[in-house]
Amino acid sequence: QKEVEQNSGPLSVPEGAIASLNCTYSDRGSQSFFWYRQYSGKSPELIMFIYSNGDKEDGRFTAQLNKASQYVSLLIRDSQPSDSATYLCAVKGNTGKLIFGQGTTLQVKP
Amino acid sequence: ETGVTQTPRHLVMGMTNKKSLKCEQHLGHNAMYWYKQSAKKPLELMFVYNFKEQTENNSVPSRFSPECPNSSHLFLHLHTLQPEDSALYLCASSQDPPYEQYFGPGTRLTVT
Repeated sequence: QKEVEQNSGPLSVPEGAIASLNCTYSDRGSQSFFWYRQYSGKSPELIMFIYSNGDKEDGRFTAQLNKASQYVSLLIRDSQPSDSATYLCAVKGNTGKLIFGQGTTLQVKP
Repeated sequence: ETGVTQTPRHLVMGMTNKKSLKCEQHLGHNAMYWYKQSAKKPLELMFVYNFKEQTENNSVPSRFSPECPNSSHLFLHLHTLQPEDSALYLCASSQDPPYEQYFGPGTRLTVT
């Protein structure tokens, strides 16, 4: 089992829809969870982080964490073509290392 | 300059060359990281430095040699690389303990 698992996609949604990106992790002791956005040919850019169970909202983005299910998700409301990118989930486990998933490619179609 | 900067942005080198990648962070962080990103693979952590001391080396071949002279600068010295080392090399920094990491723009390395 991979330490951090994401569906590679592509996930295709129409403009204005809600995009839902999911991530599962294997280390039950994980404490911190991060979502990065990476445009093609660019470096990852931090968009959200979450430490506690529940939801955290920032503009059109909502991160959701369920530690019991070892599941973290990112919702993007009112998706725009400029949101088309690869979204990386990263989890900091007990070792303190940040482990990245392979990323989910999101395509928002006009 | 703000954030994390990396030079060069692109590098083509032969297998017998020696080159160095440079990273500088302007965020006042005390931890710096080197990652390798190959096509279709997750980001691979290579090295971690906290307060200039190397705290992690993820079984990286000795043809990659890191150097951290101070908390703001990080180098990756390259020698006798292989074509499979071609990848995007990313530098990141964070405050210790490893809170959120901020990435530089990366160096696209091609080994011929």
